[in-house]
Amino acid sequence: AQKITQTQPGMFVQEKEAVTLDCTYDTSDQSYGLFWYKQPSSGEMIFLIYQGSYDEQNATEGRYSLNFQKARKSANLVISASQLGDSAMYFCAMREGQWLTGGGNKLTFGTGTQLKVEL
Amino acid sequence: SAVISQKPSRDICQRGTSLTIQCQVDSQVTMMFWYRQQPGQSLTLIATANQGSEATYESGFVIDKFPISRPNLTFSTLTVSNMSPEDSSIYLCSGITGTGELFFGEGSRLTVL
Repeated sequence: AQKITQTQPGMFVQEKEAVTLDCTYDTSDQSYGLFWYKQPSSGEMIFLIYQGSYDEQNATEGRYSLNFQKARKSANLVISASQLGDSAMYFCAMREGQWLTGGGNKLTFGTGTQLKVEL
Repeated sequence: SAVISQKPSRDICQRGTSLTIQCQVDSQVTMMFWYRQQPGQSLTLIATANQGSEATYESGFVIDKFPISRPNLTFSTLTVSNMSPEDSSIYLCSGITGTGELFFGEGSRLTVL
């Protein structure tokens, strides 16, 4: 089974609108972390937001928020007030286990969602 | 956020040659990793770069093909040896901070002719 599933290969959104990028995960570990990265056409991977499995509140970073629904095993990224510069590939990733000591240093990535922001 | 510098940013290489990619991180990073992203694909972990010892490779990756060095806490290199067109990818260095966040370098886009 896929550990990280991103079901939207491509998404379009109007500038200034909000958009939700879906991510579901599969793990039997109690301790894990969920990440979102943005990859522009230049190829760099830009860290956006992180949610730990024990974090009770949803993570937020500026215009980015992570809608963490633990029971459903989903970690959707919400981008508010989309900008043209948000057009990029977005990857959801998971780290399983306690990091540093429990092997929780490796990230498993989803297949990505290509977001295009239109005027 | 951690600062991770990687070079070269891109290169075009001939089949059969080798290329070494360098990665410099700032002091916030505790562990370093190398990933590969083949065209149109997601990222795959190649190995964990261990300071002063041999890297820990993931299934499907071997030291002879991807030798890795990490002589100190803040510097690592990945060599792609005896390249073939199938090695054309983006290679990304990454580091994990003390708070468990993983940051990436700018990536090295490699094209093998």
